[in-house]
Amino acid sequence: QKEVEQDPGPLSVPEGAIVSLNCTYSNSAFQYFMWYRQYSRKGPELLMYTYSSGNKEDGRFTAQVDKSSKYISLFIRDSQPSDSATYLCAMITGNQFYFGTGTSLTVIP
Amino acid sequence: GAVVSQHPSWVICKSGTSVKIECRSLDFQATTMFWYRQFPKQSLMLMATSNEGSKATYEQGVEKDKFLINHASLTLSTLTVTSAHPEDSSFYICSARDNMKSYEQYFGPGTRLTVT
Repeated sequence: QKEVEQDPGPLSVPEGAIVSLNCTYSNSAFQYFMWYRQYSRKGPELLMYTYSSGNKEDGRFTAQVDKSSKYISLFIRDSQPSDSATYLCAMITGNQFYFGTGTSLTVIP
Repeated sequence: GAVVSQHPSWVICKSGTSVKIECRSLDFQATTMFWYRQFPKQSLMLMATSNEGSKATYEQGVEKDKFLINHASLTLSTLTVTSAHPEDSSFYICSARDNMKSYEQYFGPGTRLTVT
């Protein structure tokens, strides 16, 4: 079983839709949870991070962590075509980073 | 925000030659840098962890003699692909961990290597 599981998609939604991206994990020792966005042929960029259960909001993005269920989510409100990218979740325990495989998202105008 | 640069952004080389890729943290110090490889439509594959002043730690299956890593300073790590072959063609991405924020990892823009 992989440390981090993420549905690769692809996910296609109309502009303005609410997008939900999810990851599950098996290691209860994970301390920090992050979401990266990667445009085609570019390096990933850090979108959000959190270290506790609950929600964290930043503009149209909300990161949610449920440690009891070992489940994290990224919600994108009012999705835009510019949100079309691959989204990777990442988790840290100690000095080790673990990445999900990424979910490809396309927002259709 | 923290910026990581990579140079070159793309390179084409002939089979059998060596290619060096630089990764720099521009506005922060990074004791630890990471090198990843990414194939089209696939996730990041960690190749090695580069530590300033010491030898890199390679992931299982990565040839250390083929992918030479040097982390000479707190802001620079280099990856040299030696005796490159067409199967080494890929997207190579580095990342750096900010010494002051161990939970954040910043990625470079990537280097596309094509070996002919």
